[in-house]
Amino acid sequence: DVKVTQSSRYLVKRTGEKVFLECVQDMDHENMFWYRQDPGLGLRLIYFSYDVKMKEKGDIPEGYSVSREKKERFSLILESASTNQTSMYLCASSWSELAEAYNEQFFGPGTRLTVL
Amino acid sequence: AQKVTQAQTEISVVEKEDVTLDCVYETRDTTYYLFWYKQPPSGELVFLIRRNSFDEQNEISGRYSWNFQKSTSSFNFTITASQVVDSAVYFCALSGYTGRRALTFGSGTRLQVQP
Repeated sequence: DVKVTQSSRYLVKRTGEKVFLECVQDMDHENMFWYRQDPGLGLRLIYFSYDVKMKEKGDIPEGYSVSREKKERFSLILESASTNQTSMYLCASSWSELAEAYNEQFFGPGTRLTVL
Repeated sequence: AQKVTQAQTEISVVEKEDVTLDCVYETRDTTYYLFWYKQPPSGELVFLIRRNSFDEQNEISGRYSWNFQKSTSSFNFTITASQVVDSAVYFCALSGYTGRRALTFGSGTRLQVQP
């Protein structure tokens, strides 16, 4: 069964803290993604990665960084958390574009982050 | 730039009613993919369907059906005889064949099915 797991379902942090959100997939997918979901805005892409140690900025990368040291793991880092980063964070993964199931993404359960 | 518009923020129906969720998209790609995802209260997005831009045939899967019209850039989703378990947020999404391989999502439509 396809599985994407995220380290926490709920997280509460203080302004200025460094925050790590972890995502692991067990499907040997090349592509991994981080989105944030806010009411009325849908899902917006923060960063994505096509391969180990490779990353590209999405639509809203400011205030975030990512790390992909191993194929199965993709971490989202908030260097100095701020209240406007309170949101639901969703990780996803997919096969490479050469696969027939092109771009179908599999999502984790999400991490609801609150920054106080 | 790509854009997906789901104009219906929230829809409420009574069980067994049919309901259509609208999706309008914009893209400069000639080849692209369209998707629908369901997000139940548990939070995890569930893939429902993917449609290639070359395939304009409508699709039916049980109580679900999808109407893809390239001429109007729409990819609407209909649930027939809705059930309480259909209550969720539904997202339409778009992906280009080349270039960026990430999805562009609409803002979602919250469907509430009342018993």
